[in-house]
Formats: sequence, C-alpha cells, structure tokens
Amino acid sequence: GAVVSQHPSWVICKSGTSVKIECRSLDFQATTMFWYRQFPKQSLMLMATSNEGSKATYEQGVEKDKFLINHASLTLSTLTVTSAHPEDSSFYICSARDLWTNNNEQYFGPGTRLTVT
Amino acid sequence: KNEVEQSPQNLTAQEGEFITINCSYSVGISALHWLQQHPGGGIVSLFMLSSGKKKHGRLIATINIQEKHSSLHITASHPRDSAVYICAVDMEYGNKLVFGAGTILRVKS
Repeated sequence: GAVVSQHPSWVICKSGTSVKIECRSLDFQATTMFWYRQFPKQSLMLMATSNEGSKATYEQGVEKDKFLINHASLTLSTLTVTSAHPEDSSFYICSARDLWTNNNEQYFGPGTRLTVT
Repeated sequence: KNEVEQSPQNLTAQEGEFITINCSYSVGISALHWLQQHPGGGIVSLFMLSSGKKKHGRLIATINIQEKHSSLHITASHPRDSAVYICAVDMEYGNKLVFGAGTILRVKS
C-alpha cells in the first residue's frame, strides 16, 4: 500500500527555537496533505489542509504564523513550528491523499513527537 | 453532540474473544474509515467503506448507510490487537476527516 513517511520521528528542542517536520509520500503523488496534532489520550485534531502549490487552509484557532506549512511539491509537505514553547509539545501526524485517483483513501505518517524544553 | 460517536470508549477482552466496536455518525458522508493506533503513535488505515462489508484477515468492517452506523469486528482476538481504534468519516462535502474519540482496546492473554 501507499506509504507516507515523517522526519524526524522525535525531536527535542529548546524554547524559542523553530522546528521543521517533513512529511513525504513515497510512492504516490499527494495532491492534498493534512497536518494533525494529538494530545495524550485524545483523538487527532486537524490543524491545516495543504494543497500542492497553494497556501494551506488552517482550522479555526490554529495560528498560521506559528505553524508554517509548505507544500511545494507533490511528495513533500513541511510543518515548521516557529518560536516553540513547551505548550507546543505534542504528537504531530501528517496524512496524504491523492485526489487525482478520485479515491478517498487517506494514508497516515508515523508521527513526530515534539518536546519543547 | 459530536458528529462521530464511538462505543465503547474502553474495552478489555480475553484472548480469543469476539470483539465489536461501534461507530455512529450524524452527517452525510462519502466514506468511513477505521484506523488503528498502537502505543508509540503510528496510525494504520484498516478499512475504508462506503457501503456493505469488508474483511481482512480477522478484521471485519460493516456499514449501514441508512442507519448511519458502522461496526468493526475482531474475531479470535489476540493481545497484539491491543490498540486504539478510531472511526473517521469523510464528509459528503469537503476534503477532511472527522474523527471519533477512539476506543481503547486491551486484549489480555
């Protein structure tokens, strides 16, 4: 089946620094990628939807200047957490779908655990 | 009321038992997904359904579009089935998933 990878799988950074997380579709073209955040023992919360070559659409309450999303190619989207704070510590998951196949399948990455100290 | 409701929230079963997890939704959908999340976080897509029934190994998923209800069944459960099972729906109009809260399954040996 289709594979989505994320890098890094975990990262520890100091408060005030920025962290970039990559999401790649390895064997298909991801016309749309989604970024989720998951707090302990809670379900996934959609942060934003990114379509290749256009600006991301952010969900209500998500600061677009803090969580920068770039989807420059059909196989790569990046999430940059700027000026990270301890409250940004969370599990970030991306997913991707290929709308060109007219298929509702959505493929999830393995997630990135961010800890801000 | 959440658009996607799952039950039960927590489920403990003995190895070998037949397990059912339910999902009800209140919106028009184009597809329903069953996902599995193991400790450590990675999510695996188990099924995507728009009608009827699908089977993969010991897992069976059914959906009743009229009743807006889906079930995930696990036959001959095993401790390695212990995970969080999440129901998610593709809204009829739109391009994003709406998630249920998840069911925490623990299978004891």
